[in-house]
Amino acid sequence: EAGVAQSPRYKIIEKRQSVAFWCNPISGHATLYWYQQILGQGPKLLIQFQNNGVVDDSQLPKDRFSAERLKGVDSTLKIQPAKLEDSAVYLCASSPRRTSYNEQFFGPGTRLTVL
Amino acid sequence: QKEVEQNSGPLSVPEGAIASLNCTYSDRGSQSFFWYRQYSGKSPELIMFIYSNGDKEDGRFTAQLNKASQYVSLLIRDSQPSDSATYLCAVKTSYDKVIFGPGTSLSVIP
Repeated sequence: EAGVAQSPRYKIIEKRQSVAFWCNPISGHATLYWYQQILGQGPKLLIQFQNNGVVDDSQLPKDRFSAERLKGVDSTLKIQPAKLEDSAVYLCASSPRRTSYNEQFFGPGTRLTVL
Repeated sequence: QKEVEQNSGPLSVPEGAIASLNCTYSDRGSQSFFWYRQYSGKSPELIMFIYSNGDKEDGRFTAQLNKASQYVSLLIRDSQPSDSATYLCAVKTSYDKVIFGPGTSLSVIP
């Protein structure tokens, strides 16, 4: 079974530029998550999708971040414009079903550096 | 009070010893509890989850849950250098969110 795929793996941009990340979850996984992980901290949930609907985006800075999951499969996360404090690893995870357990499977992440 | 807290590291143990990692959570109605391992520069990987009070064992790993004390722990027996990583505790709360703790860095010294 293929894992969660993400691209790009690394991205360096200057502040005020835009950037987009892509995620392809494990086949059949209905729930998809985007996390931001700053060095030395645990992952922070940005947005959670159930199929192509948003379940939770309470911690998504909506003035600059946006995300979509078309057709309930792939997802993109965009930052526009980027700030220095957005430098982090962006992790995508998927979960096979919305059950009591919510075990999640993570992709390799995208390391973003904002200069 | 932070929603999920973990014992501050780094934690160093000699090879072959038992490593004990602790996690407390604030939402008394939390339902499920997860331990993820994250190697430096890699993404988290699930190693165990537990949802009932008591112990759950999987090989060298034992998760312990005490809902009355709002406490979950991970014991690693016969620690190996390959166990050196950051261990993340995650809690599924009563309001259906999964919250990660800050992680505890473990170093197993040969």
